[in-house]
Amino acid sequence: NAGVTQTPKFQVLKTGQSMTLQCAQDMNHNSMYWYRQDPGMGLRLIYYSASEGTTDKGEVPNGYNVSRLNKREFSLRLESAAPSQTSVYFCASSKSPGLIGDEQFFGPGTRLTVL
Amino acid sequence: SQQGEEDPQALSIQEGENATMNCSYKTSINNLQWYRQNSGRGLVHLILIRSNEREKHSGRLRVTLDTSKKSSSLLITASRAADTASYFCAGGGGSNYKLTFGKGTLLTVNP
Repeated sequence: NAGVTQTPKFQVLKTGQSMTLQCAQDMNHNSMYWYRQDPGMGLRLIYYSASEGTTDKGEVPNGYNVSRLNKREFSLRLESAAPSQTSVYFCASSKSPGLIGDEQFFGPGTRLTVL
Repeated sequence: SQQGEEDPQALSIQEGENATMNCSYKTSINNLQWYRQNSGRGLVHLILIRSNEREKHSGRLRVTLDTSKKSSSLLITASRAADTASYFCAGGGGSNYKLTFGKGTLLTVNP
């Protein structure tokens, strides 16, 4: 099992460009999450999907959109990238929507730089 | 808002020593989790302690939880250079299956 995979690993964008970060998990997990990690800020939740077909905003959703394509895949889209979105992005998944605060499994991250 | 706040922000010890990291949180939780992050990598789950538990062990890890003080501690015994990483606590609770992470403790274990 690959666990949680993310593509791309690195990306450089110019201000105003758009891109989609891809995430997939092969653990048959119900819930998936997108975080960003900035120095001194810890991890902050952008969006999450408690189960297939549902998505909800997290702590810092502005400037992002998400799609839960199917049970395996959860993508994050930046419509018009800004320098403030320079960060490391992590996708995560957890098993059961019936357990609050379940253990999460993380992908390796995408390092995004917006010039 | 940050649910977990780790203390200290950075800790440097010698191999073989014990490392203790603390975490405080603000609101009620269902469980408290600890994660490790090696430089440039994703987070890895270490241990979960439920709100009705006071202490839990896993290998060289010992976690305590004091819900009355809204605090937890992670003890790593007989540390190794490979334990060098950032450690995060995360409070699980409230609605919608979310975890809220602290800013982490950077542990450096010197050989």
